[in-house]
Amino acid sequence: NAGVMQNPRHLVRRRGQEARLRCSPMKGHSHVYWYRQLPEEGLKFMVYLQKENIIDESGMPKERFSAEFPKEGPSILRIQQVVRGDSAAYFCASSRTSETTGELFFGEGSRLTVL
Amino acid sequence: AQSVTQLDSQVPVFEEAPVELRCNYSSSVSVYLFWYVQYPNQGLQLLLKYLSGSTLVESINGFEAEFNKSQTSFHLRKPSVHISDTAEYFCAVSEMDSSYKLIFGSGTRLLVRP
Repeated sequence: NAGVMQNPRHLVRRRGQEARLRCSPMKGHSHVYWYRQLPEEGLKFMVYLQKENIIDESGMPKERFSAEFPKEGPSILRIQQVVRGDSAAYFCASSRTSETTGELFFGEGSRLTVL
Repeated sequence: AQSVTQLDSQVPVFEEAPVELRCNYSSSVSVYLFWYVQYPNQGLQLLLKYLSGSTLVESINGFEAEFNKSQTSFHLRKPSVHISDTAEYFCAVSEMDSSYKLIFGSGTRLLVRP
């Protein structure tokens, strides 16, 4: 499967624990985007990364959330000290260049449940 | 700031019937417009997009959408649906200079019945 790969598909955490979501972009893609979908809402942009750089993090919550896309390996979205309001589906997308004209290739999402 | 409204959370329709999924947006700047589709247990896929030019855009599987600037709408239509069209459909907009930053509606679940 040459598409965007996300894991885990489902993750359960208790309040106060850490959640790590991983995303491997499509082959040949070096631009990664994270979106979050809260229940009954549309996807919302969180962060845009290129290898080793954060390009736009205007949608990231100011605390507890961080993202990275190292030179080697997948992109990681990290949520520290999770709370119930973090329960959501987290989608990763990728593109070959920054000139996307809106065409992003999405993964199947990681669904986080906070107990 | 932009916003997207999809008033219908679910649209049930019989196979071979026509369907329209509504999408309205608000924006103070020029935008690109998109429809994405999510089939069960899959990621979102771009169905069609309007960037400029002809206001009527078509997909390869028979869907079409028309950009109406005066009504700020981008409704999705198909004259005859198939069972396989059952999916969640998301309308989205983006500003032209940050097209990766999509603003999505809440989605419409199209349920095609035999």
